[in-house]
Amino acid sequence: DVKVTQSSRYLVKRTGEKVFLECVQDMDHENMFWYRQDPGLGLRLIYFSYDVKMKEKGDIPEGYSVSREKKERFSLILESASTNQTSMYLCASSHYARSTDTQYFGPGTRLTVL
Amino acid sequence: AQKITQTQPGMFVQEKEAVTLDCTYDTSDPSYGLFWYKQPSSGEMIFLIYQGSYDQQNATEGRYSLNFQKARKSANLVISASQLGDSAMYFCAMRDLNTNAGKSTFGDGTTLTVKP
Repeated sequence: DVKVTQSSRYLVKRTGEKVFLECVQDMDHENMFWYRQDPGLGLRLIYFSYDVKMKEKGDIPEGYSVSREKKERFSLILESASTNQTSMYLCASSHYARSTDTQYFGPGTRLTVL
Repeated sequence: AQKITQTQPGMFVQEKEAVTLDCTYDTSDPSYGLFWYKQPSSGEMIFLIYQGSYDQQNATEGRYSLNFQKARKSANLVISASQLGDSAMYFCAMRDLNTNAGKSTFGDGTTLTVKP
Protein backbone atom coordinates (compact mmCIF):
# COMPACT_ATOMS: atom_id res chain seq x y z
CA ASP A 1 0.00 0.00 0.00
CA VAL A 2 1.18 3.49 -0.88
CA LYS A 3 2.45 5.40 2.09
CA VAL A 4 3.62 8.91 2.88
CA THR A 5 4.50 9.61 6.50
CA GLN A 6 5.22 12.86 8.29
CA SER A 7 7.30 13.06 11.44
CA SER A 8 4.68 14.76 13.63
CA ARG A 9 0.90 15.25 13.58
CA TYR A 10 1.06 18.20 15.96
CA LEU A 11 3.96 20.52 16.75
CA VAL A 12 4.23 23.59 18.96
CA LYS A 13 7.27 25.85 18.60
CA ARG A 14 8.32 29.29 19.77
CA THR A 15 9.03 32.30 17.59
CA GLY A 16 12.61 32.26 16.33
CA GLU A 17 13.12 28.51 16.70
CA LYS A 18 14.44 26.44 13.81
CA VAL A 19 11.83 23.87 12.83
CA PHE A 20 12.27 20.68 10.82
CA LEU A 21 9.33 18.88 9.24
CA GLU A 22 10.20 15.49 7.84
CA CYS A 23 8.41 13.54 5.13
CA VAL A 24 9.15 9.99 3.99
CA GLN A 25 7.58 8.02 1.14
CA ASP A 26 8.01 4.35 0.39
CA MET A 27 6.83 4.31 -3.24
CA ASP A 28 10.12 5.20 -4.97
CA HIS A 29 8.52 8.42 -6.25
CA GLU A 30 10.67 11.00 -7.98
CA ASN A 31 8.50 14.01 -7.13
CA MET A 32 7.92 15.31 -3.63
CA PHE A 33 6.05 18.40 -2.47
CA TRP A 34 5.43 20.59 0.55
CA TYR A 35 2.16 22.51 0.83
CA ARG A 36 0.66 24.66 3.50
CA GLN A 37 -3.07 24.74 4.02
CA ASP A 38 -4.92 27.66 5.57
CA PRO A 39 -8.69 28.16 5.89
CA GLY A 40 -10.15 29.73 2.75
CA LEU A 41 -6.83 29.60 0.89
CA GLY A 42 -6.73 25.99 -0.20
CA LEU A 43 -3.34 24.33 -0.62
CA ARG A 44 -0.41 26.50 -1.56
CA LEU A 45 2.82 25.01 -2.83
CA ILE A 46 5.92 25.95 -0.85
CA TYR A 47 8.63 23.87 -2.56
CA PHE A 48 8.87 20.77 -4.64
CA SER A 49 11.62 18.40 -5.67
CA TYR A 50 11.80 16.19 -8.77
CA ASP A 51 15.03 14.40 -7.88
CA VAL A 52 17.58 13.99 -5.11
CA LYS A 53 19.26 17.31 -4.34
CA MET A 54 16.98 19.06 -6.84
CA LYS A 55 14.41 21.59 -5.67
CA GLU A 56 12.22 24.30 -7.08
CA LYS A 57 10.37 27.13 -5.42
CA GLY A 58 6.62 26.96 -5.34
CA ASP A 59 4.22 29.84 -4.88
CA ILE A 60 5.14 30.81 -1.30
CA PRO A 61 8.79 29.86 -0.58
CA GLU A 62 9.64 32.88 1.59
CA GLY A 63 10.69 31.88 5.08
CA TYR A 64 11.19 28.22 4.14
CA SER A 65 13.93 26.00 2.79
CA VAL A 66 14.01 22.31 1.89
CA SER A 67 16.43 19.43 1.76
CA ARG A 68 16.35 16.22 -0.25
CA GLU A 69 19.44 14.13 0.40
CA LYS A 70 17.72 10.80 -0.27
CA LYS A 71 15.01 9.93 -2.73
CA GLU A 72 12.52 8.85 -0.08
CA ARG A 73 12.95 11.81 2.27
CA PHE A 74 12.01 15.49 1.83
CA SER A 75 12.47 17.93 4.68
CA LEU A 76 10.92 21.35 5.15
CA ILE A 77 12.90 23.79 7.27
CA LEU A 78 11.69 26.95 8.93
CA GLU A 79 14.95 28.76 9.68
CA SER A 80 13.36 31.12 12.21
CA ALA A 81 9.74 30.31 12.89
CA SER A 82 7.23 33.15 12.99
CA THR A 83 3.61 33.25 14.13
CA ASN A 84 2.39 33.68 10.55
CA GLN A 85 3.80 30.24 9.79
CA THR A 86 1.21 28.65 12.06
CA SER A 87 -0.58 26.34 9.64
CA MET A 88 -1.25 22.80 8.48
CA TYR A 89 1.65 21.42 6.43
CA LEU A 90 1.03 18.65 3.94
CA CYS A 91 3.68 16.57 2.20
CA ALA A 92 2.92 14.71 -1.04
CA SER A 93 4.73 12.56 -3.58
CA SER A 94 4.12 11.31 -7.12
CA HIS A 95 5.82 9.52 -9.98
CA TYR A 96 7.61 11.77 -12.45
CA ALA A 97 6.92 9.72 -15.53
CA ARG A 98 3.24 9.04 -15.02
CA SER A 99 1.95 12.59 -15.12
CA THR A 100 -1.67 11.51 -14.91
CA ASP A 101 -0.98 9.80 -11.61
CA THR A 102 -2.34 11.38 -8.48
CA GLN A 103 -0.21 12.87 -5.76
CA TYR A 104 -0.19 10.82 -2.56
CA PHE A 105 -0.45 12.83 0.62
CA GLY A 106 0.80 12.36 4.14
CA PRO A 107 -1.45 12.89 7.17
CA GLY A 108 -0.31 16.48 7.70
CA THR A 109 1.49 18.34 10.48
CA ARG A 110 -0.39 21.01 12.35
CA LEU A 111 2.24 23.52 13.41
CA THR A 112 1.59 26.22 15.99
CA VAL A 113 4.18 28.95 16.48
CA LEU A 114 3.77 30.88 19.74
CA ALA B 1 -0.76 30.52 -15.10
CA GLN B 2 -3.36 28.05 -13.97
CA LYS B 3 -6.26 28.92 -11.70
CA ILE B 4 -8.92 26.82 -10.02
CA THR B 5 -12.12 28.36 -8.67
CA GLN B 6 -14.49 26.64 -6.28
CA THR B 7 -17.33 29.06 -5.67
CA GLN B 8 -19.13 27.11 -2.93
CA PRO B 9 -17.41 27.49 0.45
CA GLY B 10 -20.02 25.22 2.04
CA MET B 11 -22.73 22.85 0.85
CA PHE B 12 -25.42 20.83 2.59
CA VAL B 13 -27.09 17.68 1.27
CA GLN B 14 -29.59 15.24 2.67
CA GLU B 15 -28.40 11.69 3.16
CA LYS B 16 -29.05 9.48 0.09
CA GLU B 17 -29.44 12.46 -2.24
CA ALA B 18 -27.03 13.50 -4.97
CA VAL B 19 -24.89 16.64 -4.76
CA THR B 20 -22.77 18.58 -7.25
CA LEU B 21 -19.64 20.44 -6.21
CA ASP B 22 -18.56 23.11 -8.67
CA CYS B 23 -15.11 23.62 -10.10
CA THR B 24 -14.06 25.97 -12.88
CA TYR B 25 -10.54 26.33 -14.16
CA ASP B 26 -8.46 28.59 -16.29
CA THR B 27 -5.45 27.50 -18.28
CA SER B 28 -3.80 28.10 -21.63
CA ASP B 29 -2.27 24.62 -21.69
CA PRO B 30 -3.83 22.26 -24.21
CA SER B 31 -3.06 19.13 -22.21
CA TYR B 32 -4.03 19.05 -18.57
CA GLY B 33 -5.45 16.81 -15.91
CA LEU B 34 -8.14 17.54 -13.35
CA PHE B 35 -8.28 15.85 -9.94
CA TRP B 36 -10.71 15.81 -7.04
CA TYR B 37 -9.64 15.08 -3.47
CA LYS B 38 -11.55 14.54 -0.25
CA GLN B 39 -10.17 15.74 3.07
CA PRO B 40 -12.01 14.43 6.15
CA SER B 41 -11.58 16.10 9.53
CA SER B 42 -8.62 13.79 10.17
CA GLY B 43 -6.69 15.89 7.64
CA GLU B 44 -5.46 13.32 5.12
CA MET B 45 -6.11 14.06 1.44
CA ILE B 46 -7.79 11.21 -0.38
CA PHE B 47 -7.74 11.00 -4.18
CA LEU B 48 -11.22 10.51 -5.65
CA ILE B 49 -11.25 10.88 -9.42
CA TYR B 50 -9.23 12.03 -12.43
CA GLN B 51 -10.20 13.54 -15.79
CA GLY B 52 -7.79 14.20 -18.65
CA SER B 53 -8.41 17.11 -21.00
CA TYR B 54 -8.44 14.78 -24.01
CA ASP B 55 -10.61 12.11 -22.44
CA GLN B 56 -13.75 11.67 -24.49
CA GLN B 57 -15.91 10.38 -21.69
CA ASN B 58 -16.65 11.76 -18.25
CA ALA B 59 -14.76 9.93 -15.51
CA THR B 60 -16.63 7.78 -13.00
CA GLU B 61 -15.45 5.99 -9.85
CA GLY B 62 -18.18 4.29 -7.90
CA ARG B 63 -20.49 6.97 -6.49
CA TYR B 64 -18.26 9.74 -7.85
CA SER B 65 -18.55 11.12 -11.36
CA LEU B 66 -17.07 14.13 -13.02
CA ASN B 67 -19.21 16.39 -15.19
CA PHE B 68 -16.51 17.67 -17.55
CA GLN B 69 -17.49 20.53 -19.86
CA LYS B 70 -14.33 21.53 -21.67
CA ALA B 71 -15.74 24.51 -23.55
CA ARG B 72 -17.03 25.98 -20.31
CA LYS B 73 -13.85 25.02 -18.45
CA SER B 74 -15.76 23.31 -15.71
CA ALA B 75 -15.16 19.98 -13.95
CA ASN B 76 -17.90 19.51 -11.41
CA LEU B 77 -17.88 16.56 -9.01
CA VAL B 78 -21.14 14.67 -8.62
CA ILE B 79 -21.61 12.46 -5.57
CA SER B 80 -24.60 10.16 -5.83
CA ALA B 81 -26.48 8.65 -2.88
CA SER B 82 -24.69 10.77 -0.27
CA GLN B 83 -23.59 9.09 2.95
CA LEU B 84 -22.79 10.60 6.33
CA GLY B 85 -19.17 9.64 5.76
CA ASP B 86 -19.04 11.95 2.74
CA SER B 87 -19.00 14.96 5.09
CA ALA B 88 -15.58 16.49 4.42
CA MET B 89 -13.77 19.21 2.53
CA TYR B 90 -13.39 18.63 -1.22
CA PHE B 91 -10.65 20.09 -3.38
CA CYS B 92 -10.43 20.41 -7.13
CA ALA B 93 -6.91 20.48 -8.59
CA MET B 94 -5.31 20.83 -12.00
CA ARG B 95 -1.98 19.82 -13.49
CA ASP B 96 -0.34 20.71 -16.79
CA LEU B 97 0.59 17.38 -18.38
CA ASN B 98 3.25 18.78 -20.71
CA THR B 99 5.59 20.23 -18.13
CA ASN B 100 6.78 18.99 -14.78
CA ALA B 101 4.74 15.92 -14.03
CA GLY B 102 3.80 16.65 -10.50
CA LYS B 103 3.09 20.31 -9.85
CA SER B 104 -0.62 20.97 -9.25
CA THR B 105 -2.80 23.99 -8.58
CA PHE B 106 -5.58 23.60 -5.99
CA GLY B 107 -8.86 25.41 -5.41
CA ASP B 108 -9.89 26.81 -2.03
CA GLY B 109 -12.14 23.85 -1.31
CA THR B 110 -15.81 23.19 -0.56
CA THR B 111 -17.00 21.89 2.79
CA LEU B 112 -19.76 19.34 2.33
CA THR B 113 -22.08 18.45 5.20
CA VAL B 114 -24.39 15.45 4.81
CA LYS B 115 -27.50 15.66 6.99
CA PRO B 116 -29.16 12.49 8.34
